[in-house]
Amino acid sequence: DQQVKQNSPSLSVQEGRISILNCDYTNSMFDYFLWYKKYPAEGPTFLISISSIKDKNEDGRFTVFLNKSAKHLSLHIVPSQPGDSAVYFCAASGRGNTGKLIFGQGTTLQVKP
Amino acid sequence: GAVVSQHPSWVICKSGTSVKIECRSLDFQATTMFWYRQFPKQSLMLMATSNEGSKATYEQGVEKDKFLINHASLTLSTLTVTSAHPEDSSFYICSASRGLYEQYFGPGTRLTVT
Repeated sequence: DQQVKQNSPSLSVQEGRISILNCDYTNSMFDYFLWYKKYPAEGPTFLISISSIKDKNEDGRFTVFLNKSAKHLSLHIVPSQPGDSAVYFCAASGRGNTGKLIFGQGTTLQVKP
Repeated sequence: GAVVSQHPSWVICKSGTSVKIECRSLDFQATTMFWYRQFPKQSLMLMATSNEGSKATYEQGVEKDKFLINHASLTLSTLTVTSAHPEDSSFYICSASRGLYEQYFGPGTRLTVT
């Protein structure tokens, strides 16, 4: 049972344009969501997070939007840069989860110069 | 801040031997550490949650006797793959938590069992 889903395995955008990565979840008990960036053979790097009491969180070029009614979150990267090319994972956690994160399958973003 | 290291970064071992992987939080104390496994082009699969001074909590389907976890201090957790077999070859990643939700990941360990 995949509680966190990233339905797009890959995304390709032009440098300078917006990258939008999507994530859906099924468990309504999740109350905290995170995005991680990962390069091959490296551990994930924390990017940005959002609590379920908010619908938007912004940090520089990265903005995460949360739509609780749709159980959907998205990561916007504006403007996209070639260095953003990596695999992006969304993750979710909830009360009583003892901090456990449930990860999506990942989306490979390629930003073309 | 929030740096997590893993050692070794890669290891090759023969089938039947045991391998220990260390995970350290370098600049903070982590009451909870997590161990993940990642197969090529797949997501991170949580193996176990490790709390300092207590037994690890394993996820369903993860063999406790095969993947021994010890959380000796607030900055160190170890994963020992016992009697390794080729199917244990994978990328093992640890993370450390310094808050309720956010986890900081180590660089991972590539294990190859021949």
